[in-house]
Amino acid sequence: DQQVKQNSPSLSVQEGRISILNCDYTNSMFDYFLWYKKYPAEGPTFLISISSIKDKNEDGRFTVFLNKSAKHLSLHIVPSQPGDSAVYFCAASAVGGAQKLVFGQGTRLTINP
Amino acid sequence: EAGVTQSPTHLIKTRGQQVTLRCSPISGHTSVYWYQQALGLGLQFLLWYDEGEERNRGNFPPRFSGRQFPNYSSELNVNALELEDSALYLCASSRRTGDNEKLFFGSGTQLSVL
Repeated sequence: DQQVKQNSPSLSVQEGRISILNCDYTNSMFDYFLWYKKYPAEGPTFLISISSIKDKNEDGRFTVFLNKSAKHLSLHIVPSQPGDSAVYFCAASAVGGAQKLVFGQGTRLTINP
Repeated sequence: EAGVTQSPTHLIKTRGQQVTLRCSPISGHTSVYWYQQALGLGLQFLLWYDEGEERNRGNFPPRFSGRQFPNYSSELNVNALELEDSALYLCASSRRTGDNEKLFFGSGTQLSVL
């Protein structure tokens, strides 16, 4: 039972344009959502998070949107840069903290010059 | 500040063998998590250790086990290796200060079972 789904295994975007990565979840108990970024041969690194009491959180070029009614979140990267090419994982947790994080399968983002 | 370190980086084993993976958390972090990332799949939660105790485990068979030492480093042991155990094993650490702690990951150990 995949509680967190990233339905696009890959995404290709031109440099300077907006990248939109999507994530859907099924568990209505999830109340905290995170995005991690992973380069080859490295571990995932935390990018941005959002609590269920918000519908938007912004950090520089990165914005995460949460639509609780649709059980959907998205990560927007504007403008996209070549260094953004990586695999992006969304993750969700219910009350209980980091030990309850459930990850999606990841989306490989490629930024083309 | 040193990040989460894992060893070895790569490992090749054959079916039925046993393997031990090691992880050192960030200084000051008391919680250690183990995740498995098989090809094409997301990170699957394996084990959580905090203050030397196993606090939670994911949906994996008992041949996956581990421990946490007094210095908070951790080992993951996998017995009777099967082909489907081939995966990237990631260790992460966090401070045990409350909910929703961000995890800091190591670079992982790539295990190949032949």
